[in-house]
Amino acid sequence: SAVISQKPSRDICQRGTSLTIQCQVDSQVTMMFWYRQQPGQSLTLIATANQGSEATYESGFVIDKFPISRPNLTFSTLTVSNMSPEDSSIYLCSVALASGGADTQYFGPGTRLTVL
Amino acid sequence: SQKIEQNSEALNIQEGKTATLTCNYTNYSPAYLQWYRQDPGRGPVFLLLIRENEKEKRKERLKVTFDTTLKQSLFHITASQPADSATYLCALREGSYKLIFGSGTRLLVRP
Repeated sequence: SAVISQKPSRDICQRGTSLTIQCQVDSQVTMMFWYRQQPGQSLTLIATANQGSEATYESGFVIDKFPISRPNLTFSTLTVSNMSPEDSSIYLCSVALASGGADTQYFGPGTRLTVL
Repeated sequence: SQKIEQNSEALNIQEGKTATLTCNYTNYSPAYLQWYRQDPGRGPVFLLLIRENEKEKRKERLKVTFDTTLKQSLFHITASQPADSATYLCALREGSYKLIFGSGTRLLVRP
């Protein structure tokens, strides 16, 4: 398994500003993922962060809005840029660990973002 | 693309009964399916994985079935307890690494 921490746990931000969320893992992992979970909804994958290369973004998400860094195998950041109230959501990072030919994902506790 | 459906209505049951949650999917033949538990304000926690060649998987009071013909998985919690109250998500692999999650079913176990 993996233990994942995120900072901040929650924040209230003003429209037009940016917030950077940090994700720290207790072991080295190849792939880290960033998800968004809007109120009452399921998880939507924003992007996959690979160390040493640019993040891979899912349809509907762009690097200018959600820049991601992955400086090493235990750490990643997601920035939510030029925020609007529609960005209010829970942001989660996760890692995939392989076991028996299948990947299991382990999630951080999430960052609850409210944009006013 | 892959579509996963879970009952959006909360399941409300009496303590001690068996809870059964359903996950249906379309447009894909996954090699395996996963179930996660999510508590309010927390990230999902992995519970069980079942492969396409497995009909049933058990872990303590949890049981998962996987019917690839019906494209359905059932998740059972026997002898349910109030502490089992949470949202349960099923997830399927799409492509080489992407997990697609269902919207989840909220379970409420009354004491």
